[in-house]
Amino acid sequence: GAVVSQHPSRVICKSGTSVKIECRSLDFQATTMFWYRQFPKQSLMLMATSNEGSKATYEQGVEKDKFLINHASLTLSTLTVTSAHPEDSSFYICSARGAGSYEQYFGPGTRLTVT
Amino acid sequence: GESVGLHLPTLSVQEGDNSIINCAYSNSASDYFIWYKQESGKGPQFIIDIRSNMDKRQGQRVTVLLNKTVKHLSLQIAATQPGDSAVYFCAENMVRDDKIIFGKGTRLHILP
Repeated sequence: GAVVSQHPSRVICKSGTSVKIECRSLDFQATTMFWYRQFPKQSLMLMATSNEGSKATYEQGVEKDKFLINHASLTLSTLTVTSAHPEDSSFYICSARGAGSYEQYFGPGTRLTVT
Repeated sequence: GESVGLHLPTLSVQEGDNSIINCAYSNSASDYFIWYKQESGKGPQFIIDIRSNMDKRQGQRVTVLLNKTVKHLSLQIAATQPGDSAVYFCAENMVRDDKIIFGKGTRLHILP
């Protein structure tokens, strides 16, 4: 099956700094990538949808200036959490979908801890 | 039995028994529905999906039932094994909206 990777798997950063999370589709071209956030014991909440070469579409309540998404190639999307605060600590998960497909393939997630 | 925790309901099932995990979805216009399994610290793993024009679909040891009248989805796991311990999420998708929306999730706990 299609494989999606995320890097890093865990990151700890200080409050006020920015952190970048990468999402890669390893064996297929991902025309669309999705970013989710998951707090402990809760469900996945969609943050934004990005199409390759276009600006991301953010869900209501998600600050686009705080969560910068770049989808510059068909195999890579990045999420940058700018000026991170402890309340941004969460599990960030990406998924990827190829052209003409409805199925999304999920990455393993990135645990972000802001101290 | 089933209990409701702080955020995630838990279903406890004896090993070898069948598990039934239920989900109420919100959008009657959703085109298809998916069940995911999520183990601790990992991303969701696809289990099975079903289109809105079907009411039942079977996979290996799993069956998904869809009742559109009451907007209810269920996942049946036959002969539950210790490796089935995880959180299970139902999700719905409208092709028009181009996104998957996850339900609340149920933790499946296997009793020895």
